[in-house]
Amino acid sequence: NAGVTQTPKFRVLKTGQSMTLLCAQDMNHEYMYWYRQDPGMGLRLIHYSVGEGTTAKGEVPDGYNVSRLKKQNFLLGLESAAPSQTSVYFCASRGNSPLHFGNGTRLTVT
Amino acid sequence: AQSVTQLGSHVSVSEGALVLLRCNYSSSVPPYLFWYVQYPNQGLQLLLKYTSAATLVKGINGFEAEFKKSETSFHLTKPSAHMSDAAEYFCAVSLYDYKLSFGAGTTVTVRA
Repeated sequence: NAGVTQTPKFRVLKTGQSMTLLCAQDMNHEYMYWYRQDPGMGLRLIHYSVGEGTTAKGEVPDGYNVSRLKKQNFLLGLESAAPSQTSVYFCASRGNSPLHFGNGTRLTVT
Repeated sequence: AQSVTQLGSHVSVSEGALVLLRCNYSSSVPPYLFWYVQYPNQGLQLLLKYTSAATLVKGINGFEAEFKKSETSFHLTKPSAHMSDAAEYFCAVSLYDYKLSFGAGTTVTVRA
């Protein structure tokens, strides 16, 4: 039982490059989330989804896009990366249960 | 909108001493409240959750938290710290139990 799997684990981008972070869960959860974690700021919600085909904005959605084409996957895209997007990104999912978190993706934008 | 404030970004305790982590919330209605723990290079794990069933909530690893509406607080305690308790702890609040807002976190170090 893998739980929540995030790929990649690490990535370095140059300013202006694009990339997609993948989150996959095998627990048949309806809700999925993308958070970013920055020192001294806790976790801030970027986007979330309450089911397949749905997405909604969180606290800090600017510069990010998401898609939930399949129930088990939640993709986070950066179209034009900026240094301010250097962070650790966490995906989480839940059904009738507490949040299950992945182990994070450490992204550096130079 | 709901939010949480964690008092103290770093707490250092001796092994065997009391651990006390402070969390205050703001919410217009009774919220759901949570404590999560994060070990290095890992995601967050749920320690405990308050859902209005009981004001004193017991969690994993010997932690507990007490909901005090009059003080809008949800402080986390453990009577006797262990070296394995060294981690970062996050308080979180939710109105509808599906979208959480997290505090800034408190890093706990345990001295031998």
